[in-house]
Amino acid sequence: KNEVEQSPQNLTAQEGEFITINCSYSVGISALHWLQQHPGGGIVSLFMLSSGKKKHGRLIATINIQEKHSSLHITASHPRDSAVYICAVGSYNTDKLIFGTGTRLQVFP
Amino acid sequence: EPEVTQTPSHQVTQMGQEVILRCVPISNHLYFYWYRQILGQKVEFLVSFYNNEISEKSEIFDDQFSVERPDGSNFTLKIRSTKLEDSAMYFCASSEGDFRLPPSLEQYFGPGTRLTVT
Repeated sequence: KNEVEQSPQNLTAQEGEFITINCSYSVGISALHWLQQHPGGGIVSLFMLSSGKKKHGRLIATINIQEKHSSLHITASHPRDSAVYICAVGSYNTDKLIFGTGTRLQVFP
Repeated sequence: EPEVTQTPSHQVTQMGQEVILRCVPISNHLYFYWYRQILGQKVEFLVSFYNNEISEKSEIFDDQFSVERPDGSNFTLKIRSTKLEDSAMYFCASSEGDFRLPPSLEQYFGPGTRLTVT
């Protein structure tokens, strides 16, 4: 069983739609990271959170530590949001991040 | 805005050859990492580096791999004798250092080096 599971694997949306991507994990964590991978392959860090909620522009990330679940929301989606969104978790006593398989989002005009 | 850079962007090599992938982390960062992503698969941790030594390595990071910080700016990943299965995108990342441990530090990723072993 994967330690980090994301859903859905693929997501298509019309411009303007509200998007939700989910991440569930099975290990105890110190922090959860949301990353964006562009079609060219580059990775950008969007959020790092260990509790509550963070907002940056049209992006919102939430985490529920008790339920071991996090969501990434995109409001008023735009074609430029098309990318792979990756959830990764870090645990105590280890340097490594454990990555999910990613959610491929396509937003059409 | 400071960023992590990697060279080359694409490297093609023959099986058995040695390759060195180069990274320049953000200048005041103290933690450095290498990850790889085989085409169509998830990103995997290879190694972390702190205070001029390996802090942690994964089971993937066997004797064929080594890392070095030869000067104050570069951070390199060497693969001594490449295999076909080493073909992947290799990402370097770096983090600031403070009292927090790496998983609680925001990581800044480079654009990646695509390694193709033929």
